Amino acid sequence: EAGVAQSPRYKIIEKRQSVAFWCNPISGHATLYWYQQILGQGPKLLIQFQNNGVVDDSQLPKDRFSAERLKGVDSTLKIQPAKLEDSAVYLCASRITAGANVLTFGAGSRLTVL
Amino acid sequence: AQSVTQLDSQVPVFEEAPVELRCNYSSSVSVYLFWYVQYPNQGLQLLLKYLSGSTLVKGINGFEAEFNKSQTSFHLRKPSVHISDTAEYFCAVGLTGGTSYGKLTFGQGTILTVHP
Repeated sequence: EAGVAQSPRYKIIEKRQSVAFWCNPISGHATLYWYQQILGQGPKLLIQFQNNGVVDDSQLPKDRFSAERLKGVDSTLKIQPAKLEDSAVYLCASRITAGANVLTFGAGSRLTVL
Repeated sequence: AQSVTQLDSQVPVFEEAPVELRCNYSSSVSVYLFWYVQYPNQGLQLLLKYLSGSTLVKGINGFEAEFNKSQTSFHLRKPSVHISDTAEYFCAVGLTGGTSYGKLTFGQGTILTVHP
């Protein structure tokens, strides 16, 4: 079974620029999550999707972050404009909705904002 | 709200020695408990989970953890570590119902360094 795919793996941008990260979950996983992991901290949930609908985006800084999952499969997380404090690893995870409560994580996209 | 405290930010240990990584949690409702491992430049990999039943949980790579409800702890143990166990370990709690499944709250992480 293929894992959760994320790209790009690394991105360096100047502050106030924009960036987008892409995630393709495991086939058949209806629920998708974006987590932000700042250096030295544990991951923090940004947004949760169920198919193509948003379940929880209470922790998403909506003035600069946006995310979508238009066809209920892959997802894009965008930051515009980026701030220095957005430097982090952005982790995508997915799970089967029914049954097991276990997330499978991708390798992450590391963002450096200069 | 839930919170997780990992009591040690770094744990150095010699190869073949036992190790315990400590995790305490706080929650007003029932939770599931997890330990994840993160190797450099990689995503999180599930080591083990407690959902219900036996409080002693065995995971991959020889790790085990014990759920202690009265002390709200979920400490991770391994009787004999290898160099390859060097990584960062995260304890996490997850809510048990409805759309909350999969919304995890993580601790700050413990860096385990195994020396030869």
